[in-house]
This record gives sequence, C-alpha cells and structure tokens, in this order.
Amino acid sequence: DVKVTQSSRYLVKRTGEKVFLECVQDMDHENMFWYRQDPGLGLRLIYFSYDVKMKEKGDIPEGYSVSREKKERFSLILESASTNQTSMYLCASSTRGIPNYGYTFGSGTRLTVV
Amino acid sequence: GNSVTQMEGPVTLSEEAFLTINCTYTATGYPSLFWYVQYPGEGLQLLLKATKADDKGSNKGFEATYRKETTSFHLEKGSVQVSDSAVYFCALRDRTGTASKLTFGTGTRLQVTL
Repeated sequence: DVKVTQSSRYLVKRTGEKVFLECVQDMDHENMFWYRQDPGLGLRLIYFSYDVKMKEKGDIPEGYSVSREKKERFSLILESASTNQTSMYLCASSTRGIPNYGYTFGSGTRLTVV
Repeated sequence: GNSVTQMEGPVTLSEEAFLTINCTYTATGYPSLFWYVQYPGEGLQLLLKATKADDKGSNKGFEATYRKETTSFHLEKGSVQVSDSAVYFCALRDRTGTASKLTFGTGTRLQVTL
C-alpha cells in the first residue's frame, strides 16, 4: 500500500516564524498535493506538484511556498507564520493521468500559530 | 469549473439506522467520483469510487451509484454503527490537466449513537 508520511502530527509555532511541513511518499507517485482543512470550508488546495521541481498554485497559495527537490518529498513552507494559518494541513499523492484512482493522504499536521 | 455539493451536517442517527448522504456535482466531461472518510484525528481514506455512469462503488457496507442523468453520487448504508462516526467527503477527479486534480465537497459529519 502507498504510504504518505507527514513529519509532525502537531506543531505549535510563533507568529513570524518560518515553518516547514514535510511530506514523503513511498510509491513513486508523480503528483503531490498540499491542502488545508478548516471547519465549514472543507479541503482547499494550496499547491500541487506534478514532477520534481515543478509546482503550480492551487486555490489559496498566498502566504505559502513549496519545494520538490526529490520525487518522494514535497515540502510546504510558511514564510512568516500568521495566526490565520492555524489549521490542519493534509498532504496527498497520486499517479499522473489516471483519473480512476484517487489520492492517498497522510495523517495530517495540526498547526497552531500563536 | 468543477464543483461538488454535499448536504449540510451534522447527520445524527441511531445505531442500525439507514444512512443517506447526498452529493451532487458539476463537471465538464466525464469525471471519476469518490467518497472519502475521515475518522477523528486522522487523514482522509478512500471509501469507494465509481469511474463511469451507472457504476456502483461499494465498501464496508457503504454504496454509491454514479448517476450521470442527475449528476449525483449519494452515499448509502443500510445499517450504521457507532464506528461509522466520521466526516464523509464526496469528490470528483476530472480527466484534464497535468495533475488531474480532485475537487472536494465541504464534508458531512456523521454521528451515530447507541
């Protein structure tokens, strides 16, 4: 089975800190995604990547950046954390171009910015 | 663009009751459709899927039928258990673009009581 691993389950950071959220998948998937999940808003796509060093903005990229230097790893970066970035962050991966398959998700990182 | 609409929650049922969670979608072309489940404190898990019209996806007693004529993919279970308490997300994946992204509904929380 595909496994998507997020490095932390819970994080507490201070306003203004630079925050790195790490995600690793072990099934050679081309596509990787970062979502944030907030009550009443569902899942919103922040960024995605369809290949190494390739990235595209999702629906809410402001305040975030990403890095994909290796196929298995996709990092989400909060350049200067703010309290409105307190949220659950979910990473996912999928094969490219096969819409019959869904995504495999990690367990999530609950980030609190104080 | 693509969109998914789910019924508002929470849905509260007694154990062994019949469950329906409505989901309708708007998409160009012929998307694949999915139901994901999120148990408390966890990431999303794929529950079932259907890839073409009239397909029925099923898993763990849950079923959903891809209805192209009504653009719907309602989730049903004949007899719910307390362990089914979770948030359920309907999603579609289109067949265009490099990453063939998933579009999610806002989620429906199910609470099952004894």
